[in-house]
Amino acid sequence: GENVEQHPSTLSVQEGDSAVIKCTYSDSASNYFPWYKQELGKRPQLIIDIRSNVGEKKDQRIAVTLNKTAKHFSLHITETQPEDSAVYFCAASSRNDYKLSFGAGTTVTVRA
Amino acid sequence: ETGVTQTPRHLVMGMTNKKSLKCEQHLGHNAMYWYKQSAKKPLELMFVYNFKEQTENNSVPSRFSPECPNSSHLFLHLHTLQPEDSALYLCASSQEVGTGSEQYFGPGTRLTVT
Repeated sequence: GENVEQHPSTLSVQEGDSAVIKCTYSDSASNYFPWYKQELGKRPQLIIDIRSNVGEKKDQRIAVTLNKTAKHFSLHITETQPEDSAVYFCAASSRNDYKLSFGAGTTVTVRA
Repeated sequence: ETGVTQTPRHLVMGMTNKKSLKCEQHLGHNAMYWYKQSAKKPLELMFVYNFKEQTENNSVPSRFSPECPNSSHLFLHLHTLQPEDSALYLCASSQEVGTGSEQYFGPGTRLTVT
């Protein structure tokens, strides 16, 4: 099955700086890569996703890049703000099944 | 209430108790999921239902028993649990079972097994 690894496990950035989270996946048949944000005590919510026919996608201060050859994808947050502090999960879903395999999460702390 | 709801939000149970978790989605979705979230671990998929039919049992111990009476409701029946089963149990739903369908999560049930 799919194995998704996520790094780093924790990330502390100064407000206004950028944050980058990287994930690798094992199944070359994976073709859908969502990112979820989970604030403390709240449910995970989708913030951005990318499909395998696209190399990059941007939505305001967040962007995701995908390298199919290397089987890795990354989340980029620019101009970080205190409300960006949360746990971020990457996930991958294969065209061979429908299961979302999640990374272990990255705890992002934005220092004021 | 809109979206995905779960009850109870917190549950403490002994190892010999029997309890049930409830999930309801108000989104008109056809697929529902149970996940287990433990500290420092990835979200673990437990069960998947598509149009009320169970399509996935991810090697979950039989002390967890799911039930999906219709596309809007999902239950997780618990009995003779172990302390290591303490975790946040999240329900999710999506339009369909398939690649590229966003999953909407409920707020979770924080389960503590004593």
